[in-house]
Amino acid sequence: DAGVIQSPRHEVTEMGQEVTLRCKPISGHNSLFWYRQTMMRGLELLIYFNNNVPIDDSGMPEDRFSAKMPNASFSTLKIQPSEPRDSAVYFCASSSRSGWRDTDTQYFGPGTRLTVL
Amino acid sequence: AQKVTQAQTEISVVEKEDVTLDCVYETRDTTYYLFWYKQPPSGELVFLIRRNSFDEQNEISGRYSWNFQKSTSSFNFTITASQVVDSAVYFCALSISLGFKTIFGAGTRLFVKA
Repeated sequence: DAGVIQSPRHEVTEMGQEVTLRCKPISGHNSLFWYRQTMMRGLELLIYFNNNVPIDDSGMPEDRFSAKMPNASFSTLKIQPSEPRDSAVYFCASSSRSGWRDTDTQYFGPGTRLTVL
Repeated sequence: AQKVTQAQTEISVVEKEDVTLDCVYETRDTTYYLFWYKQPPSGELVFLIRRNSFDEQNEISGRYSWNFQKSTSSFNFTITASQVVDSAVYFCALSISLGFKTIFGAGTRLFVKA
């Protein structure tokens, strides 16, 4: 079975440019998460969706960051304009949540390493 | 508020040694879930185990074992007879049932030398 798919795997861009990261969750999963990992701050949850609806975006650092999930099989994380401090590894994860008492395991994609020059 | 503390930043062992990675968590919820993930040098995050708060049984999977103790709010991970391939960063994580957020610890970097 295919796991979580992220693209691109590596992205190098210049400050001020728009960056779009893409994620395809595991088929059948109804929750999707975007994380950012840096040496200084560790693994941070940016936003998560349930049934394509954003549930909590309190981890999104600034208005320059936006995320969408137009359907159950695709999500994007966009940074516009990008800045050098956005350089990090961005992970997408998905899980299957069936009820309010259920916290299913999150399965992570391989990550996108973003470098903003 | 929920919190996960992995006090060991780095651990270095020689192959075949046993090693225990500590995880201490904080939550006021009575229903919660604990996880361990492995992040090898290649960078991906690999799920290892999930344990819910109602199940305090320890678990063993091959060379891996987990000790869950609610009395001390700990969920420690032991690797028996470590191997070089175990070298990775290991994350402990906590999630409560009423929310979707999973809180990750800072991670413990394990070096296993041949």
